[in-house]
Amino acid sequence: AQKVTQAQTEISVVEKEDVTLDCVYETRDTTYYLFWYKQPPSGELVFLIRRNSFDEQNEISGRYSWNFQKSTSSFNFTITASQVVDSAVYFCALSEGNAGNMLTFGGGTRLMVKP
Amino acid sequence: DTGVSQDPRHKITKRGQNVTFRCDPISEHNRLYWYRQTLGQGPEFLTYFQNEAQLEKSRLLSDRFSAERPKGSFSTLEIQRTEQGDSAMYLCASSLVDGSYNEQFFGPGTRLTVL
Repeated sequence: AQKVTQAQTEISVVEKEDVTLDCVYETRDTTYYLFWYKQPPSGELVFLIRRNSFDEQNEISGRYSWNFQKSTSSFNFTITASQVVDSAVYFCALSEGNAGNMLTFGGGTRLMVKP
Repeated sequence: DTGVSQDPRHKITKRGQNVTFRCDPISEHNRLYWYRQTLGQGPEFLTYFQNEAQLEKSRLLSDRFSAERPKGSFSTLEIQRTEQGDSAMYLCASSLVDGSYNEQFFGPGTRLTVL
């Protein structure tokens, strides 16, 4: 069975600090996909990134970067120079290759960035 | 087309009543998903459709829950004989499956309160 764990339920930082959100996953499939979504106070889930299990290359997009390590079953998300607008709940999710794209979400990490 | 839309955005009902929610996906998307999100938790998968075919419904929470997508466009989720435990945000998502994996785009959700 697939499972996603986000051990940090809440993180508070001061603006301009770097912050890393942890994600650990479990799956028996060799083909799977990992995602990060952002849920701002408005409530709508916003897609941030997708990685497949065959591509461990780290990715950077502006202030966002993702570190995928199969050896530790982790897919961590770092925000550099955080801003108040980054305040939101962030979800990590997993989809197994043959599961019809069903997403299994972690419990989320609430990030609060203070000015 | 501006994205996935859901109607209503909020629904308050009394225990025992039936409720129906509607989801309109992004127009060219052939897959449509329903999730439920309770307070402080990540979304939980319920069911999904490929065009008008419901390909997975074993995760619907009980036989009081049913979903349809009669013409392969919009979808409805019905909850019969609502219970207080059904209070949650119901999220709809859509994606285009064209031989490659594509991310799911989420709607704003319908917040259900059962009194």
